[in-house]
Amino acid sequence: KAGVTQTPRYLIKTRGQQVTLSCSPISGHRSVSWYQQTPGQGLQFLFEYFSETQRNKGNFPGRFSGRQFSNSRSEMNVSTLELGDSALYLCASSGKQGASGETQYFGPGTRLLVL
Amino acid sequence: AQSVTQPDIHITVSEGASLELRCNYSYGATPYLFWYVQSPGQGLQLLLKYFSGDTLVQGIKGFEAEFKRSQSSFNLRKPSVHWSDAAEYFCAVGSRTGTASKLTFGTGTRLQVTL
Repeated sequence: KAGVTQTPRYLIKTRGQQVTLSCSPISGHRSVSWYQQTPGQGLQFLFEYFSETQRNKGNFPGRFSGRQFSNSRSEMNVSTLELGDSALYLCASSGKQGASGETQYFGPGTRLLVL
Repeated sequence: AQSVTQPDIHITVSEGASLELRCNYSYGATPYLFWYVQSPGQGLQLLLKYFSGDTLVQGIKGFEAEFKRSQSSFNLRKPSVHWSDAAEYFCAVGSRTGTASKLTFGTGTRLQVTL
């Protein structure tokens, strides 16, 4: 069974631009979560989608948004990029029910560099 | 709010030596507990998880962890470390309430293995 895939793997943008990252979950998984990983803040939860609905959101500004499609694929968008948005963005998928505590399986991440 | 503390930022052990990585959590009840490993440039791989039942949990790659409610701890152990175990290790807590999947991670422990 294929794992979680994320595209692109690497991305370089400049301040003020916007970026869209894509995540394809494990087949059959309906819950997709996004995390930001930086050396200073560590791993932080961004948001979670289940059946095309955002169910939970972390403490990030409105510049960070996401969506999920009917095939469970998810995208996250960051508008008006800031230098501090440089990070590894990880996507994780879990279970058919997306229930609390279900194991989350992580993709390899998209490394975003903002210049 | 739930939180996770990994008191050791960096640990160095010799190949063949035993390993224990510490994790303490703060949560109102018994949480879901996870250990993940991350190799450089990679996503997170699940080592093991605790949901309920036996407090000693076996994982992949010869790792085990013990849940101790009285100490709010979930320490990761391995009896004999291999050079390939060098990586960063993250302890995480998942909420038992609601249906949303959200993990709170510790700051990680970087393991260096000397030959």
